[in-house]
Amino acid sequence: QSALTQPASVSGSPGQSITISCTGTSSDVGGYNYVSWYQQHPGKAPKLMIYDVSNRPSGVSNRFSGSKSGNTASLTISGLQAEDEADYYCSSYTSISTLVFGTGTKVTVL
Amino acid sequence: EVQLLESGGGLVQPGGSLRLSCAASGFTFSSYAMTWVRQAPGKGLEWVSNLSGSGGSAYYADSVKGRFTSSRDNSKNTLYLQMNSLRADDTAVYYCAKGLYSSNVWGQGTLVTVSS
Repeated sequence: QSALTQPASVSGSPGQSITISCTGTSSDVGGYNYVSWYQQHPGKAPKLMIYDVSNRPSGVSNRFSGSKSGNTASLTISGLQAEDEADYYCSSYTSISTLVFGTGTKVTVL
Repeated sequence: EVQLLESGGGLVQPGGSLRLSCAASGFTFSSYAMTWVRQAPGKGLEWVSNLSGSGGSAYYADSVKGRFTSSRDNSKNTLYLQMNSLRADDTAVYYCAKGLYSSNVWGQGTLVTVSS
């Protein structure tokens, strides 16, 4: 199972919006609405930011939003803040009942 | 409070074995599938295995299939990962997480180092 493809890095200034893409296949991202997004700060466990493509868990800022079109999912962070600087990973359920993560994206707040 | 606490990590020689534990609290453990995820030093997240709530159905990444086994004791609210024939590229922080499609509860991770 190959990892989902994410850009290695994305950057933006405070207050701006950025979008991170996550590209898979029809056997994972395109085939199921089980795409999730995780934020990970150095030395910390991942934190769920979006589940089932576009749902936010309780307590997650509404500055984070998710969407999907075909085999590509996207995470948008609006009103970028310094605390958003972290690594972000997408994940998707697959046709063989496994899970696959994305390659990860480092978000830098300029 | 919903919590997961991993233990059992450490230094092991190539070819050796190790069993990780993940103690759950604050939720009805038997009602949830559980997931193991690992992260090699400086690398991304890698899904390892998932296990159904009953323990009757498990799936594994190709990289660990045949060497790792997930199990659970619902009477003890504990998830296990038995790791055999360990290799250097199994060196990673291992996390347990609640859920199958997504996980909003993660443990703090336990470091496994495979080295001679």
